[in-house]
Amino acid sequence: EAGVAQSPRYKIIEKRQSVAFWCNPISGHATLYWYQQILGQGPKLLIQFQNNGVVDDSQLPKDRFSAERLKGVDSTLKIQPAKLEDSAVYLCASSLLQEGTQYFGPGTRLLVL
Amino acid sequence: GDSVTQMEGPVTLSEEAFLTINCTYTATGYPSLFWYVQYPGEGLQLLLKATKADDKGSNKGFEATYRKETTSFHLEKGSVQVSDSAVYFCALSGYNQGGKLIFGQGTELSVKP
Repeated sequence: EAGVAQSPRYKIIEKRQSVAFWCNPISGHATLYWYQQILGQGPKLLIQFQNNGVVDDSQLPKDRFSAERLKGVDSTLKIQPAKLEDSAVYLCASSLLQEGTQYFGPGTRLLVL
Repeated sequence: GDSVTQMEGPVTLSEEAFLTINCTYTATGYPSLFWYVQYPGEGLQLLLKATKADDKGSNKGFEATYRKETTSFHLEKGSVQVSDSAVYFCALSGYNQGGKLIFGQGTELSVKP
């Protein structure tokens, strides 16, 4: 069974630029999560989708971050404009059920200069 | 609010030493508890989990027991190997958390030959 796929693996941008990350969850997994992991900290949830609907986006900085999950499968997370403090690893995870075991992708490491 | 606290790292051990990484939690309801491991350059992998009080999760020689009375889920291994060097994250999730994972800050383990 293929795991969670993410791209790109690394991205370097300058502040005020925009960036987008892509995630393809495990086939059949209805729930998709985006987490932000700042260096030296545990991951923190940004947004949670159930199929193509948003369940929880309370920690998403909506003035600069946006996310969508088209047709309930792939998802894209965008930052526009980026700030220095957005430098982090962005992790995508999926689960079969909303309270099921979450499986993580390899992450996208973002550096904002 | 819900939270997870882990012992600070880095933890440095010699090969074949006994490992304990402490984890305590605060949560509403009856969450499941997890240990995830992150090897250098890789994403998070589920190491073990326990879904109710007194359950013991185990995998690859690692063990942790869900202790409701002390709100703890300490990770143990009897004899560590160099290949166990990684960052270990304790986490909780359940109905009251909407399915999202709440992570501790992570504990880096370094095992020397």
